[in-house]
Amino acid sequence: KAGVTQTPRYLIKTRGQQVTLSCSPISGHRSVSWYQQTPGQGLQFLFEYFSETQRNKGNFPGRFSGRQFSNSRSEMNVSTLELGDSALYLCASSLAGSFSGNTIYFGEGSWLTVV
Amino acid sequence: DQQVKQNSPSLSVQEGRISILNCDYTNSMFDYFLWYKKYPAEGPTFLISISSIKDKNEDGRFTVFLNKSAKHLSLHIVPSQPGDSAVYFCAAPGLNYGGSQGNLIFGKGTKLSVKP
Repeated sequence: KAGVTQTPRYLIKTRGQQVTLSCSPISGHRSVSWYQQTPGQGLQFLFEYFSETQRNKGNFPGRFSGRQFSNSRSEMNVSTLELGDSALYLCASSLAGSFSGNTIYFGEGSWLTVV
Repeated sequence: DQQVKQNSPSLSVQEGRISILNCDYTNSMFDYFLWYKKYPAEGPTFLISISSIKDKNEDGRFTVFLNKSAKHLSLHIVPSQPGDSAVYFCAAPGLNYGGSQGNLIFGKGTKLSVKP
């Protein structure tokens, strides 16, 4: 079955712009979560959506937002981009979320460079 | 305190030998652990997991051992192959009073290099 699909894979944006990243989870999976990976900070949790509702949120500013659609596809948006937002953004899919016994599958990621 | 620690940033092993990647955690309430493998510029790939009710789980060349009293787990790869060269992450679901925090808490990763 198809894995987690993220688009676009690579993009370059200018400071102050906004960006939207898209994620299609594995068919049947209702939980989608987003992570940011940077060399210095490792993998950091942004937020998690389940059945179109944000269930959990990490410690990121309000410039980072997301949503989930009825087909479980998810988008995340970053407004007023800063140089420090340059990172690999990863989408993760699971049946019901990040808890014991539940496997989380990641997409290939979207590489964002802010110049 | 909820931390997952991988104290060895890198490990170099000869092809055919055993690779042992270590992971420590701080919260004894963690009850499930996952290992991921990651190549540069790609997303993490799920390798193997273990529940706290077990002390060992095997899948082909990969075995994970869990020592709850020491709050330590390890991933063994036998035999190691050059294609195993990647960064390996240990992770655990975050916890709150209501159950899951909805996130995975990751270690910083260990870069494994398997030399032919």
